[in-house]
Amino acid sequence: NAGVTQTPKFQVLKTGQSMTLQCAQDMNHEYMSWYRQDPGMGLRLIHYSVGAGITDQGEVPNGYNVSRSTTEDFPLRLLSAAPSQTSVYFCASSLDGTSGIETQYFGPGTRLLVL
Amino acid sequence: QQPVQSPQAVILREGEDAVINCSSSKALYSVHWYRQKHGEAPVFLMILLKGGEQKGHEKISASFNEKKQQSSLYLTASQLSYSGTYFCGTGPTSGTYKYIFGTGTRLKVLA
Repeated sequence: NAGVTQTPKFQVLKTGQSMTLQCAQDMNHEYMSWYRQDPGMGLRLIHYSVGAGITDQGEVPNGYNVSRSTTEDFPLRLLSAAPSQTSVYFCASSLDGTSGIETQYFGPGTRLLVL
Repeated sequence: QQPVQSPQAVILREGEDAVINCSSSKALYSVHWYRQKHGEAPVFLMILLKGGEQKGHEKISASFNEKKQQSSLYLTASQLSYSGTYFCGTGPTSGTYKYIFGTGTRLKVLA
């Protein structure tokens, strides 16, 4: 199993540009989520999904969109990039996020720089 | 609201002990602990469930006091490999399925 994969590893954007961060998992996990990590702020939840077709907002959803058309994929879209979105983005998945007892597996992260 | 962790950072010598605390303003069903090495993804350490169940990992153990909405991570006889940032995470509560992580504690173990 490849686990949780993310692409790209690193991206530079100009303010106002849009892009999609890709996340895929091959563990048949129902629960997937996106976090951003900034110095001193820990991991902050952007969006999450409890299964295909079901998504919901996390703690910092503004400026980001998600969709979940398949169990495997959970892309994160930046609609109009801003310097404040410069961060490291992690995707995570777990077998069943509704129980509260499942381990989350993280992808390697995407480093995004918005100029 | 993110759980608050303390201390924010700690420096130890090999063999010394450390305690990392995690406090939440919301009622907790479960607490998860993760460790992140520099430049890497967070990795699961352990989970604690409501009811006081404690779990251990190598020389790392943890406790969970649901009444106080607090959890503590205990690192005994620390090793160089324990260096990294530790995060507590809280599981779903009150009908939402959000996993919220704390602010993190940076741990540095010196030889």
